[in-house]
Amino acid sequence: QSALTQPRSVSGSPGQSITISCTGTSSDVGGYNYVSWYQQYPGKAPKIVIFDVSKRPLGVPDRFSGSKSGNTASLTISRLQTEDEADYYCCSFAGRYTWVFGGGTSLTVL
Amino acid sequence: EVQLVESGGDIVQPGGSLRLSCAASGFNFSSYEMNWVRQAPGKGLEWVSYISSSETKIYYADSVKGRFTVSRDNAKNSLFLQMNSLRAEDTAVYYCVRPTMTISGRIPFDYWGQGTRVTVSS
Repeated sequence: QSALTQPRSVSGSPGQSITISCTGTSSDVGGYNYVSWYQQYPGKAPKIVIFDVSKRPLGVPDRFSGSKSGNTASLTISRLQTEDEADYYCCSFAGRYTWVFGGGTSLTVL
Repeated sequence: EVQLVESGGDIVQPGGSLRLSCAASGFNFSSYEMNWVRQAPGKGLEWVSYISSSETKIYYADSVKGRFTVSRDNAKNSLFLQMNSLRAEDTAVYYCVRPTMTISGRIPFDYWGQGTRVTVSS
């Protein structure tokens, strides 16, 4: 149950696109199409933005998209807005009802 | 409206015990599996435990196995986490989290409580 690997920080300007990677193993990210992404503002509970690799819950803007290749999943945020500045966490099913999160990525919108 | 309200967080000495509670409302609690997720200060999220709707399936992260026990009381719409042999590294905000089934799939961690803070320190 080792944490998934994410970059500690990424940044972008309003209107640009950024991508956050999430690297695991064949026992988690690579083994299942159950990767989800969470947005968290300081002092707040996380909020789902992507589930099942690339599905968006109702209410999440289509600027948020997800994908996966092998053992690495990615979250892309297009047309960056200042309100997107937050921490982002990936999460993957790891078998037998267990889950593993990434270490988190801090997004700065310059 | 789905609501999850955690309680029971406190300051406790290493080796001590604590019992967290999560009061659920706004949905049929007995039909849902539940999870505990924690977040150490300034750190990332960590999945802690899973319990099925009828308590027939229970799983733990390796970091808490043998020390933590998850349980639920469906009659009282409540989820619990008994934490024994606490260590400094258990210091975190503990969240009670509910999944959601949608038409297109399952959101594993959809509804989160506000969290309850546990500090393990002498």
